[in-house]
Amino acid sequence: DGGITQSPKYLFRKEGQNVTLSCEQNLNHDAMYWYRQDPGQGLRLIYYSQIVNDFQKGDIAEGYSVSREKKESFPLTVTSAQKNPTAFYLCASSTTRGIVAQHFGDGTRLSIL
Amino acid sequence: AQTVTQSQPEMSVQEAETVTLSCTYDTSESDYYLFWYKQPPSRQMILVIRQEAYKQQNATENRFSVNFQKAAKSFSLKISDSQLGDAAMYFCAYRSTISSGSARQLTFGSGTQLTVLP
Repeated sequence: DGGITQSPKYLFRKEGQNVTLSCEQNLNHDAMYWYRQDPGQGLRLIYYSQIVNDFQKGDIAEGYSVSREKKESFPLTVTSAQKNPTAFYLCASSTTRGIVAQHFGDGTRLSIL
Repeated sequence: AQTVTQSQPEMSVQEAETVTLSCTYDTSESDYYLFWYKQPPSRQMILVIRQEAYKQQNATENRFSVNFQKAAKSFSLKISDSQLGDAAMYFCAYRSTISSGSARQLTFGSGTQLTVLP
């Protein structure tokens, strides 16, 4: 079945540590996105990529980094510079033509140890 | 920049009844897309329904329908014959039709938590 796979489901970070969240899609979508969701709030865009080897900052990119070396993969690294990383992280993908509805993965919950 | 407002943080509905969730948005664009997403306790975001602004006809998907009022910039979601499985957080989202830069992102409202009472 086609879809988006995020791993791990739960992740814990120690102070000063970088952690990487995985996102893989087999929908053949060109565009991929990372969102952050805090309790009781909507989703805020961290980074997005419309094509391999290209990505753009979203509204809250500080303290995060991404790469897009393959069409299927868009990993997100939460760096030690992100002082409040505890949140739920959602990855999404979409085509780049037409109504472009985004399809989401199941998310990763990141917590601080 | 576009903004999306959901003014009802929480709503409840009796099973088998009808409920309407409100959403308003602010934009200077004439063409755009609007979406409703559902987020159940599993936290997965599920697309419920979508509307293209240039279409006057309101979108429907089985028990879900929208009331799209472009002049008022309103996009409400109606759930008919509510079921226990409809209980979730519902998010309204806006997307520009412009194909460059950050215009591709979805702008989300803050969500409405829907409780379905048996």
